[in-house]
Amino acid sequence: QVQLQESGPGLVKPSGTLSLTCAVSGASISSSNWWNWVRQPPGKGLEWIGQISHTGGTDYSPSLKGRVTMSLDKSKNQFSLRLTSVTAADTAVYYCARDTGTPSYFDYWGQGTLVTVSS
Amino acid sequence: DIQMTQAPSSLSTSVGDRVTITCRASQSIYSYLNWYQHKPGKAPKVLIYAASILQSGVPSRFSGSGSGTDFTLTISSLQPEDFATYYCQQTYSTPWTFGQGTKVEIE
Repeated sequence: QVQLQESGPGLVKPSGTLSLTCAVSGASISSSNWWNWVRQPPGKGLEWIGQISHTGGTDYSPSLKGRVTMSLDKSKNQFSLRLTSVTAADTAVYYCARDTGTPSYFDYWGQGTLVTVSS
Repeated sequence: DIQMTQAPSSLSTSVGDRVTITCRASQSIYSYLNWYQHKPGKAPKVLIYAASILQSGVPSRFSGSGSGTDFTLTISSLQPEDFATYYCQQTYSTPWTFGQGTKVEIE
């Protein structure tokens, strides 16, 4: 059974950097999948942040480009999200998810972690 | 970016009712359309992918149809566990985009 689990600080100061990790079990991040981050601000819908391939290729949402970086740690079978210069608008539940590839859809998701941007 | 518009934004309904949710894309996305169910505090769950393919383990009361720009999710007979928010998602071209969601509530 594939499982994903997000972890990281629940509180980040404005202008700071949000850093989250998604630990994957039951599957290898070195397999032919894309690994995604999605967020949901309070009371709003789902927003795609970006994805990283098993080879490290990345594709980010234009709305966040310049502030977002994703990376893989194959030794720990996990992938990470880094979002810089955060504001209150970045307060959200952050989810990691696996994309099956072809056709593309998210078949496994983490439970989500709430990150609040506040001083 | 491809814009996804769902209707309605919310609906109140009863157990046993037939529910239809629509999703419209701002341009053709062929059949690159997925549907998710999302309950508070839980991870979203894929119901339908490629517009009409039922994900393994999902009850057959869920079905999807459409292609091009117009899509539909149908729940043939709503069950108590189906009260949730439903999202469509296009995976024709990045950035992947979701509809704004449809909240299905108890009448």
